[in-house]
Amino acid sequence: QVQLQESGPGLVKPSETLSLTCTVSGDSISSSSYYWGWIRQSPVKGLEWIGSVFYSGNAYYNPSLKSRVTISVDTSKNQFSLRLDSVTATDTAVYYCAREHTVAISHLDNWGQGALVTVSS
Amino acid sequence: DIQMTQSPSSLSASVGDRVTITCRASQSISNFLNWYQQKPGKAPKLLIYGASTLQSGVSSRFGGGGSGTDFTLTISSLQPEDFATYYCQQSYYTLRTFGQGTTVEMK
Repeated sequence: QVQLQESGPGLVKPSETLSLTCTVSGDSISSSSYYWGWIRQSPVKGLEWIGSVFYSGNAYYNPSLKSRVTISVDTSKNQFSLRLDSVTATDTAVYYCAREHTVAISHLDNWGQGALVTVSS
Repeated sequence: DIQMTQSPSSLSASVGDRVTITCRASQSISNFLNWYQQKPGKAPKLLIYGASTLQSGVSSRFGGGGSGTDFTLTISSLQPEDFATYYCQQSYYTLRTFGQGTTVEMK
């Protein structure tokens, strides 16, 4: 059974960079059937898709965040990562990593437990 | 961006009730519509994908329908563990978007 686990700092200062890693177990991140994505949730914005990455490194992003976000993959560690630059208080949210099944209709079929990231000085 | 609008935003129901939640897309998304259930402090859980296909392991009391712009999630007989918030999500367009959620509360 696939499991995903987010890790990273829970507190980031304004204007700095938010970095999170998702470790995948029980499945290979190199599978051609999946993308690997990041979604965040806040009381103001609800659920917001940030972007997804394929094992090849091909990634696509939410245009509203594209200038600040990078999602990368490390197949040797079975991990993928999120980097969000120049954060502000509005980036405070619970960040989830998830597996996106891409056969036929794409859907997020497995999620991590979530990591609360607070942006504050 | 494709806007996903759910109705109602919340509802009160009793165990055994039949519950229907509606999701409307601002443009046609064929059947590229997924439903998730979220309980407090937990990650969303996939219930239905492709508008009507039940995810493995999900109870058959959950059902989905619709295509184009209008979709429904139905719980045939509400159980205590079904009190939660439900979200729709479209995967037709590269920019994935979610509805604002419908909270099912105990009457």
